[in-house]
Amino acid sequence: KQEVTQIPAALSVPEGENLVLNCSFTDSAIYNLQWFRQDPGKGLTSLLLIQSSQREQTSGRLNASLDKSSGRSTLYIAASQPGDSATYLCAVRAETSGSRLTFGEGTQLTVNP
Amino acid sequence: DVKVTQSSRYLVKRTGEKVFLECVQDMDHENMFWYRQDPGLGLRLIYFSYDVKMKEKGDIPEGYSVSREKKERFSLILESASTNQTSMYLCASRRLDRAGGSNQPQHFGDGTRLSIL
Repeated sequence: KQEVTQIPAALSVPEGENLVLNCSFTDSAIYNLQWFRQDPGKGLTSLLLIQSSQREQTSGRLNASLDKSSGRSTLYIAASQPGDSATYLCAVRAETSGSRLTFGEGTQLTVNP
Repeated sequence: DVKVTQSSRYLVKRTGEKVFLECVQDMDHENMFWYRQDPGLGLRLIYFSYDVKMKEKGDIPEGYSVSREKKERFSLILESASTNQTSMYLCASRRLDRAGGSNQPQHFGDGTRLSIL
């Protein structure tokens, strides 16, 4: 059964710092991995999706990488801003689970002005 | 942009009531999903639907049912609400993968925070 782990559970950084969020998964047979952002009391906003054949995806200040063989993904946020404060979740779509996603529990990021 | 709309942001119901949560998407997506999110347990899949009138149980279907009579609408039904169903409920939709790719993301609504008293 696919398991997804995100470490750390919480992270606090000063504004302007570059930072990395980590995601690991136990079964490397995946279709893709998706990173989401969730603001308090709100739904999830899709940030980036990396297909299993890709190594990375970029959107603005965000860069997500995927190392399928080692079961790891990272989300790099450049020049962090207070508006980046949110919970970041990664989710994996395994080859054995059709359209289902398996979610990590998220990293709660606080960017201090 | 994809728009997934959940009918209520906050809902308060009583134990034993039949509760309907509605979700509508405007992008003709084939797949739709219902999750619940609880502290310490993360997001858990309740039910999903591949297409109209098709449904499949997720990881925690007990106490819930669903209805998908039209492509754009996916309803979650709590047959007889109980206090342990107090939670944040999230709906998502997704377009089917096209040939040769697996790059269709899930898009989420804003959630319904349901309290059962």
